[in-house]
Amino acid sequence: DSGVTQTPKHLITATGQRVTLRCSPRSGDLSVYWYQQSLDQGLQFLIQYYNGEERAKGNILERFSAQQFPDLHSELNLSSLELGDSALYFCASSERGHTDTQYFGPGTRLTVL
Amino acid sequence: GQNIDQPTEMTATEGAIVQINCTYQTSGFNGLFWYQQHAGEAPTFLSYNVLDGLEEKGRFSSFLSRSKGYSYLLLKELQMKDSASYLCAVRDLRYTGRRALTFGSGTRLQVQP
Repeated sequence: DSGVTQTPKHLITATGQRVTLRCSPRSGDLSVYWYQQSLDQGLQFLIQYYNGEERAKGNILERFSAQQFPDLHSELNLSSLELGDSALYFCASSERGHTDTQYFGPGTRLTVL
Repeated sequence: GQNIDQPTEMTATEGAIVQINCTYQTSGFNGLFWYQQHAGEAPTFLSYNVLDGLEEKGRFSSFLSRSKGYSYLLLKELQMKDSASYLCAVRDLRYTGRRALTFGSGTRLQVQP
């Protein structure tokens, strides 16, 4: 158990819909990262937040957005969903130390029908 | 961009030793990580290298050569539970504030009795 929690574990929805994925980082970690893992793409970095502020953006679509709240939990919002958005979405957190190792949550499996 | 290459699949025998290689190209190298991922589960941190040389952690060791853009993960005394995907990931600080990881596609290791 990494200490990172994600909800929900599974989500099934239809094309065109909007969903929100939630992540709580490990106690004391200020950075949150979101990754997408699909069968044909591997783990892809989407976006990073540090202490409430956006720090870096990866391959995140304009239909996706995220935020980090004062209590440091983060939400990833996916809208106008398409079949190709079906994937595992992982959240990771890290503290700002020497190694800054990222610890991953259990993931949310999103299925778009 | 960044290129990270690792073999797609490997097979080894229980009790044996296996070496999983990873090569990378990046201009702002700031660390290489190895993660283990069982199917459908979260990546689990295994090791971190930022300086050249070998880091040993029980049955797992990781080696880095920055001049060659090369790392390997060595697994000794293989057990059936070691059957998983092994992900090589590089941190690149070329972009201000970017501490996200770029992952290779992973090496699926199958341990046979």
